[in-house]
Amino acid sequence: QKEVEQDPGPLSVPEGAIVSLNCTYSNSAFQYFMWYRQYSRKGPELLMYTYSSGNKEDGRFTAQVDKSSKYISLFIRDSQPSDSATYLCAMSKTGANSKLTFGKGITLSVRP
Amino acid sequence: SAVISQKPSRDICQRGTSLTIQCQVDSQVTMMFWYRQQPGQSLTLIATANQGSEATYESGFVIDKFPISRPNLTFSTLTVSNMSPEDSSIYLCSVVGSQSSYEQYFGPGTRLTVT
Repeated sequence: QKEVEQDPGPLSVPEGAIVSLNCTYSNSAFQYFMWYRQYSRKGPELLMYTYSSGNKEDGRFTAQVDKSSKYISLFIRDSQPSDSATYLCAMSKTGANSKLTFGKGITLSVRP
Repeated sequence: SAVISQKPSRDICQRGTSLTIQCQVDSQVTMMFWYRQQPGQSLTLIATANQGSEATYESGFVIDKFPISRPNLTFSTLTVSNMSPEDSSIYLCSVVGSQSSYEQYFGPGTRLTVT
C-alpha cells in the first residue's frame, strides 16, 4: 500500500460546480498537509498548507484534514476554467527535514 | 516566495549520455531538493542538496547516477548520468520557504526525453 493515495481522475466539471479532491494516507506520523496546483508544463505551486486536523479556508478554496480517518480534502467553490490543472496532495512528518510525500495527482478540467 | 529558475527547460538526449540541470534561486535558501516526476507517477524525492557537503539521497537513488552539486545557497545542479529511456521524466528543484520549513516552492521543471 502506498503511503499516500489520491483519486486517479481525471475529473471534468461544469463552471460554477463545487469540486472535491481527496487523498488518503496510511502513516499516522504525517502532521503537515499541503495541496499543490500544477498547470501544464509548469512546476507545482503551493495552494494550501495545513497543520494537523481541521479546516483552512482561502477564498474559494478550503482544505480539510481528518487525521482520525487519515483523509484530507480540497474543496473548490464556484469553480472556474482557470482552475483546470493537476492537483497534488503532499504530506510531511514532524522533524522530517521538510521531506514531502506526494499523491499521484488528479487532473481537473472545468468546462465553460 | 523565492523565484526559482531551471535550465534547460527541456532537452532530448541520446542514451548513454549525461545531462546537467541547473537550479538558480533569487535568494539564499537553506534547504534545496531535487524531485523526479515520471508520467502517471507521484513526484518522487531524489535527494536533498546540501551546501558544502555531499547530497543526501533517498532510497533507490545513488550518487553515481544522479550526482548533485550545491556550491552556494542560491544554486544547485543535478546530473543525470549514463541516461536510458527510463530516465525520461520531468526533473524539478524545490526550496523551503522562509516562513515555514514545511512550505516548499518548486521550479518550473526540466522535461527530459531520452531516445
